[in-house]
This record gives sequence, C-alpha cells and structure tokens, in this order.
Amino acid sequence: GESVGLHLPTLSVQEGDNSIINCAYSNSASDYFIWYKQESGKGPQFIIDIRSNMDKRQGQRVTVLLNKTVKHLSLQIAATQPGDSAVYFCAENRRQGGSEKLVFGKGTKLTVNP
Amino acid sequence: SQTIHQWPATLVQPVGSPLSLECTVEGTSNPNLYWYRQAAGRGLQLLFYSVGIGQISSEVPQNLSASRPQDRQFILSSKKLLLSDSGFYLCAWSDGGQGNFGPGTRLLVL
Repeated sequence: GESVGLHLPTLSVQEGDNSIINCAYSNSASDYFIWYKQESGKGPQFIIDIRSNMDKRQGQRVTVLLNKTVKHLSLQIAATQPGDSAVYFCAENRRQGGSEKLVFGKGTKLTVNP
Repeated sequence: SQTIHQWPATLVQPVGSPLSLECTVEGTSNPNLYWYRQAAGRGLQLLFYSVGIGQISSEVPQNLSASRPQDRQFILSSKKLLLSDSGFYLCAWSDGGQGNFGPGTRLLVL
C-alpha cells in the first residue's frame, strides 16, 4: 500500500558504486510499473518502465527488475554519479473497475557522495 | 510533442480562503489526468484522477475537489483552505502508459 505520510528511507553511496533501490507493491492486478526520479522542487521525471510480462529491462546505466511472485520491484543504477542524487519513486498502474490509476510507492532518497 | 502546464508555481493563501489550481495538457487527446499532493520530504499522495470530461474519482476524503471541464483541463479547488492543505501539488497525465508530470504548485496556507 501507500506510505505517503512517512519520512522517506535514505540510501547513501559513494560515487562510482552501484545503487539498488527497492520497492514493494500490493496489487497483483497491476501490470505496468514505472520508476521516477524527483529532484528538489521539481516534478517526478520518468526513468524506466516495465510491463508485467517481463522480469528485467535495461536502459542507460539503469536496470529494473520485477519479481511478481513477491510483488517486488528494484532499480539498479550503475556507476552512480553525484547527479543521480534525488528521490526515487516506483509507481504501479493499478486497474480498478474498468479504469486505471497511477499509484506511487513511498520513495527513497539517494545521496551520492563524491 | 506533449506538454503539461500548471499555474501558479507558488501560492500563499490565508486559512479559510478559496483555492483554484489549473492544469492543462497539450499535444494529446483524452488523457488520464491526476492530481497528487506531496508534503515536504514525503511521498506522493493521489488525490483525484479522471479518465474523461466530467469523470472524477476521489481517492481520499478532504476539503478539496477536482473538475475536468474540458478534455485537457484539470482543476483542483477548495472553498475554504486548511493549514493542512499546504504542500506541493502535482498534476500529471498519461495515456495508459507512463505518467508525465507538470512542474508543480507549491501552496503555503498561513
């Protein structure tokens, strides 16, 4: 479910290391998942997405893994850079009664130390 | 290409005053539209979503309302603001795929 009222968990990494950010979702019927990056004072920006018929998708320096059995999503960032410092959210496209809505996870604040 | 606009960018309002935030989308037809609120250092809370003109789904009970008078226009309103309405309000659109966010409106209720 959503935990919008809680403080964001944090992850601190050294520049050049790989980062792994995790997310759990609750609805088995969700068939589309998205990772967003949000910098301070801005709206979230799309990073990468994955449909439920896949378990892995790769982009430039980012990989998303989907484990439908345990309803778990992860974002891997290779060779993390200071510019990657931001809050990362996962989102699921949740279908209900003929309509669909985009529901966000709680987010993780990533800090990259130079 | 598609663009999404929100205004104003920032707003300071007294408690009890009305609110109207506007969001418009260009370059797409019949989008799904969303209003989210984000408190400082917190996640995104879905407030309203709409799959078509005049169709509004409310996610949480509150003193806010939403309307969609035109296909690409989504309005967030309140008759009387509360202190707890302060936050960062984000509008987004999707065509069933990824959501695309506007720049947001920072609202401070004093």
